[in-house]
Amino acid sequence: DAMVIQNPRYQVTQFGKPVTLSCSQTLNHNVMYWYQQKSSQAPKLLFHYYDKDFNNEADTPDNFQSRRPNTSFCFLDIRSPGLGDAAMYLCATSRSGVNTEAFFGQGTRLTVV
Amino acid sequence: GNSVTQMEGPVTLSEEAFLTINCTYTATGYPSLFWYVQYPGEGLQLLLKATKADDKGSNKGFEATYRKETTSFHLEKGSVQVSDSAVYFCAQGGGADGLTFGKGTHLIIQP
Repeated sequence: DAMVIQNPRYQVTQFGKPVTLSCSQTLNHNVMYWYQQKSSQAPKLLFHYYDKDFNNEADTPDNFQSRRPNTSFCFLDIRSPGLGDAAMYLCATSRSGVNTEAFFGQGTRLTVV
Repeated sequence: GNSVTQMEGPVTLSEEAFLTINCTYTATGYPSLFWYVQYPGEGLQLLLKATKADDKGSNKGFEATYRKETTSFHLEKGSVQVSDSAVYFCAQGGGADGLTFGKGTHLIIQP
């Protein structure tokens, strides 16, 4: 049973056209993360929510925004996608607490044309 | 800052060979350590973890021991199968601060 669900699996968007990726979870975890993974690279944390508190990584571009309307859902908004934003975007969740493991969705592969 | 270094791939082995993928970390304090596996086109799946020194994580025949003295968490398996072909990521941290990943090791098992 899928516990962290990302939609869509594949997304094609035009250069400069806003795009939203979605993530939902059935685990009732209070922490949700968005990672960016470029080809053959490690996932890189963009930001996370601890409950409703938003935490942005220092080097995440302003072009990337996020919303978490409730515990179950989290969205990644890319305001003006560039060619360099083509990547796999991974959503993950975890319980609060020190050093708990993260549960990942299957990812959304974003292509910018 | 915190970092994870793991051997670069690809690593190519024959079926039933012994596997070692090296991983070392730098951190302040004593983070939890993880191995995640990523199959083609998929997200990451937790393979095993260890939360304190000398802990051994194990799953599906894979093992890794948290070695504080060498700051290492090497992944081992005694006899690999073709189905083990994937990318393996070593990671540290967890919880609200998220995970710091190594660059990943692409493992290819040939029949």
